Amino acid sequence: AQTVTQSQPEMSVQEAETVTLSCTYDTSENNYYLFWYKQPPSRQMILVIRQEAYKQQNATENRFSVNFQKAAKSFSLKISDSQLGDTAMYFCAFMKPLSRNTPLVFGKGTRLSVIA
Amino acid sequence: GAVVSQHPSRVICKSGTSVKIECRSLDFQATTMFWYRQFPKQSLMLMATSNEGSKATYEQGVEKDKFLINHASLTLSTLTVTSAHPEDSSFYICSARDAGTYEQYFGPGTRLTVT
Repeated sequence: AQTVTQSQPEMSVQEAETVTLSCTYDTSENNYYLFWYKQPPSRQMILVIRQEAYKQQNATENRFSVNFQKAAKSFSLKISDSQLGDTAMYFCAFMKPLSRNTPLVFGKGTRLSVIA
Repeated sequence: GAVVSQHPSRVICKSGTSVKIECRSLDFQATTMFWYRQFPKQSLMLMATSNEGSKATYEQGVEKDKFLINHASLTLSTLTVTSAHPEDSSFYICSARDAGTYEQYFGPGTRLTVT
């Protein structure tokens, strides 16, 4: 079974600074998908970024980028120029090769606080 | 973007009663919907996977007779918590997978309180 580990239960960062959230996973699959989701106080799950394992290039979405190390099974999220609105729970998630019933496997989450 | 709605957003019910939560994909067809439960300050726990027109697949430890899931159409799935007890109080989140793109979208969640 796949597992996702987020070793940082809580983190804080000053506004405008950069922060990196870590995530490791365990799988025997060669093709898979990795995601970072944000859950703000509203509790609505928001997709931040996704990465396909077969792509070597790290995904980037505006201020959010990942460092995907397939051999190390590591998938960290870097948030640049942190903003107060980035305060949220961040969940790393894994998904096996896509089929209609493939569920997301979530890590336990990292609570990020952006401080003014 | 694709939208998933949940109704109600909050519900309070008495112990022993049943409550139904609806999950709708508003602008896409979802052959698969997932139901999650989230306790305070914890991650999402997958309860079951439902496919349109067939029985739901429940995760180990989830009581199928207590948490009844129906996925009668490509845009609607329902979760019924039967004979609710205070320990069923939680935040329930549904997620729908777009039949065409396989992208997964989340509803805003339902907070259930059983008194």
